Amino acid sequence: NAGVTQTPKFQVLKTGQSMTLQCAQDMNHEYMSWYRQDPGMGLRLIHYSVGAGITDQGEVPNGYNVSRSTTEDFPLRLLSAAPSQTSVYFCASIGLSTYEQYFGPGTRLTVT
Amino acid sequence: GESVGLHLPTLSVQEGDNSIINCAYSNSASDYFIWYKQESGKGPQFIIDIRSNMDKRQGQRVTVLLNKTVKHLSLQIAATQPGDSAVYFCAESWGSNYKLTFGKGTLLTVNP
Repeated sequence: NAGVTQTPKFQVLKTGQSMTLQCAQDMNHEYMSWYRQDPGMGLRLIHYSVGAGITDQGEVPNGYNVSRSTTEDFPLRLLSAAPSQTSVYFCASIGLSTYEQYFGPGTRLTVT
Repeated sequence: GESVGLHLPTLSVQEGDNSIINCAYSNSASDYFIWYKQESGKGPQFIIDIRSNMDKRQGQRVTVLLNKTVKHLSLQIAATQPGDSAVYFCAESWGSNYKLTFGKGTLLTVNP
């Protein structure tokens, strides 16, 4: 199993540009989530999904959209990037039989 | 608002010593707690978890203690090794929604 994979590893955007951060898992986990991590802070939940076709907002959802068309994939979209979205983004998945979350390696995003 | 925090942002120990990392939580409804280890440039890695119906749980070289009376969580690492150097996060959850609230993290440095 590859676990949770994220692409790209690094990305630089200009203010106002859009992009999609990709996340995929091959563990057949129902639950997936996106977090952002800023310096000196813990992870904050952006959006999450409890299964294909179901998404919901986390603690800091503004400026981000998600969709869950398949169990494996959970992309995060930035429609109009802002400098405040400069951060490291982590995707995670969890099977509903356990609380153990598996995190991807992260995407480091810089918005100038 | 409800939050999870840490008493000590940094901890430096000698190799072979035991380490104790502390965490305070404020949501009395939280019923599940997790400790994560995050090495530089990587995603968080699950270490150990504990449910609110327990006050102690042991893993390999690690023990988590939960004191619900004072809303306190601790992670004990026995015979700390240089490979244990990382940032350690506690996280809490409540109900069955699997949404985690993370603390800010403690940087553990192990000196050889």
